[in-house]
Amino acid sequence: EAGVTQFPSHSVIEKGQTVTLRCDPISGHDNLYWYRRVMGKEIKFLLHFVKESKQDESGMPNNRFLAERTGGTYSTLKVQPAELEDSGVYFCASSQRLYGYTFGSGTRLTVV
Amino acid sequence: GNSVTQMEGPVTLSEEAFLTINCTYTATGYPSLFWYVQYPGEGLQLLLKATKADDKGSNKGFEATYRKETTSFHLEKGSVQVSDSAVYFCALSESTGNQFYFGTGTSLTVIP
Repeated sequence: EAGVTQFPSHSVIEKGQTVTLRCDPISGHDNLYWYRRVMGKEIKFLLHFVKESKQDESGMPNNRFLAERTGGTYSTLKVQPAELEDSGVYFCASSQRLYGYTFGSGTRLTVV
Repeated sequence: GNSVTQMEGPVTLSEEAFLTINCTYTATGYPSLFWYVQYPGEGLQLLLKATKADDKGSNKGFEATYRKETTSFHLEKGSVQVSDSAVYFCALSESTGNQFYFGTGTSLTVIP
């Protein structure tokens, strides 16, 4: 079975630009999560989808971040406009039941 | 609130040395506790978990015991190998929720 796939693996953009990260969960997984690790700090929860609906978006840092999940399949996380403090590694995870998480390898975002 | 504090790194050990990575937690309820590992270039992988007090999680020679009295979940391995070089994350999840709370991660390098 394919794992959780994230695109791109690395992205370097200038401050003020827009970046879109994509996550393809494991097929059939209703739950999809986004997390972020800012350099040297803890991995923090951003939001949780159940199918196409946002179940919990309490971790989204501000309105420059927009997450969508088209038809309950893949998800995108857009940052617009990007700021320096948005740099970090963005992880996606999916599960079909509580605790059965599978994480992707992450997207390393660098804003310069 | 919920939080996880783990030992600062980086940690460098010689092959066959004993490993301990300390982890303590704060939780409002009765969490499950986890250790995740991220090998270079890969995603987060579940290493082991414990769902209630006094449970011991174990996998690949690693062990951690859920200690409610000290709110700790220290990771140990009796003899590390070069292949254990990775970043290790301690995490908790409340029994009624889906969100994970992670520590800052501890980078381990094992030298031959």
